[in-house]
Amino acid sequence: GAGVSQTPSNKVTEKGKYVELRCDPISGHTALYWYRQSLGQGPEFLIYFQGTGAADDSGLPNDRFFAVRPEGSVSTLKIQRTERGDSAVYLCASSFNGRTGRGTGELFFGEGSRLTVL
Amino acid sequence: EDKVVQSPLSLVVHEGDTVTLNCSYEVTNFRSLLWYKQEKKAPTFLFMLTSSGIEKKSGRLSSILDKKELFSILNITATQTGDSAVYLCAAPPSWGQNFVFGPGTRLSVLP
Repeated sequence: GAGVSQTPSNKVTEKGKYVELRCDPISGHTALYWYRQSLGQGPEFLIYFQGTGAADDSGLPNDRFFAVRPEGSVSTLKIQRTERGDSAVYLCASSFNGRTGRGTGELFFGEGSRLTVL
Repeated sequence: EDKVVQSPLSLVVHEGDTVTLNCSYEVTNFRSLLWYKQEKKAPTFLFMLTSSGIEKKSGRLSSILDKKELFSILNITATQTGDSAVYLCAAPPSWGQNFVFGPGTRLSVLP
């Protein structure tokens, strides 16, 4: 597709369950970002990939959160033993970062995956 | 700690009014500041500012950066109901490529 695609758009799960959220970035974009946004707040950085590797995962809140991007395109955010506090919209964004790794600055966001943990 | 602060957090105006949204930042080795508009879920890009004092303009929206005082403003003239959204400001910290976002300003434009 032309834009960043995220699935599912909505996910309701029970406390303690495992969830996976998928992001398909814009073709050719080397950088991929995961953000989490709670109601009334700005997006909170989770993790950033440059190619297949996680260049910065300092935003992941704890070891229940993990993300992969095995082929440098699609990424999956994995949350184990979900808690009610994990409820939020998880936004994925991609951008084209040049050979030096420095980006153009513009992030293209997907529509997000709304996670509700009951 | 790198941070981005926006004010006001919420603003209600009537169509035709002009609004000014503020963004201040504390980011070491500053490179750029970005403005986004978020209507429902996906923030959409408005402006990227890298140089102080140079206004960027797109239709009724304009933005300018002051690197000495560490702030940026976003102006919207002749507001329309379609301008109702959350306006986000973001800047990358010194050590990474990710962006630190402010809390956003929720703008409501009434008919």
